[in-house]
Amino acid sequence: KAGVTQTPRYLIKTRGQQVTLSCSPISGHRSVSWYQQTPGQGLQFLFEYFSETQRNKGNFPGRFSGRQFSNSRSEMNVSTLELGDSALYLCASSLGQGSNSPLHFGNGTRLTVT
Amino acid sequence: QQQVKQSPQSLIVQKGGISIINCAYENTAFDYFPWYQQFPGKGPALLIAIRPDVSEKKEGRFTISFNKSAKQFSLHIMDSQPGDSATYFCAATWEGNYQLIWGAGTKLIIKP
Repeated sequence: KAGVTQTPRYLIKTRGQQVTLSCSPISGHRSVSWYQQTPGQGLQFLFEYFSETQRNKGNFPGRFSGRQFSNSRSEMNVSTLELGDSALYLCASSLGQGSNSPLHFGNGTRLTVT
Repeated sequence: QQQVKQSPQSLIVQKGGISIINCAYENTAFDYFPWYQQFPGKGPALLIAIRPDVSEKKEGRFTISFNKSAKQFSLHIMDSQPGDSATYFCAATWEGNYQLIWGAGTKLIIKP
C-alpha cells in the first residue's frame, strides 16, 4: 500500500504570497489532518478533515485554510505569508475512527518564507 | 487539563544504555497513549501504544510503562542503538475524540 504523499517536498515563497500544499492519503483513509512543525513548537495541529468536512480545527489564524476532496485528497492553503510561517507542514491520514485509527504521516512539505 | 507534558527535551545516551522519556497528563478521560518516532527528514511514525488497562507493554527493545494513579507514562528503550537516534513524541486521547494531544517531543541521541 502506498504511503501518504505530500507535494511539493520543498517550497520557497516571499512574504505576502500565498501557497497551496497537497496531500494524498493512504487508500481507504477518510481522515486527513494537517500539522505545523517548527523546532521550538513541536507538532501544532492545524485542522482535520473527514469525508470532505472539517471536523476539528486548531488555534491558527484564518490565513490557514484547507479542504478535502471526494477522493480524500486534501489541500492546505496559507494566504498572505509571514516569515513565521516557515515550517515543516505534515499531513497525516487515518481511518478516522478515533483512537483505533493510528495516524500515518507523510514526509512533509518544507516551506521557507523569505 | 488538555496538556501532555513531556521530558526531557533532549537526551544523550551511550550505546547499549537505557533511554527513558517521561510524559505526564491531567485529563483522566485519556484512555489511549501512543508514542511516535520521527527521524530527520521524515514524518512521525507510530512506535508503540498502550491503554490504561495494562501497566506495561513491550515490543522488542521498546517498553511503555503506565502509572494510572500518578497519571504518568514513559517510554523505555533498552540496549539503545545509534539507529534509535530520533525525536520521540508522546500523545494521548480518549475514545470518541479524533485528535491526539501531543507532548513537545524529546530529541534522543545515542552515542556510539
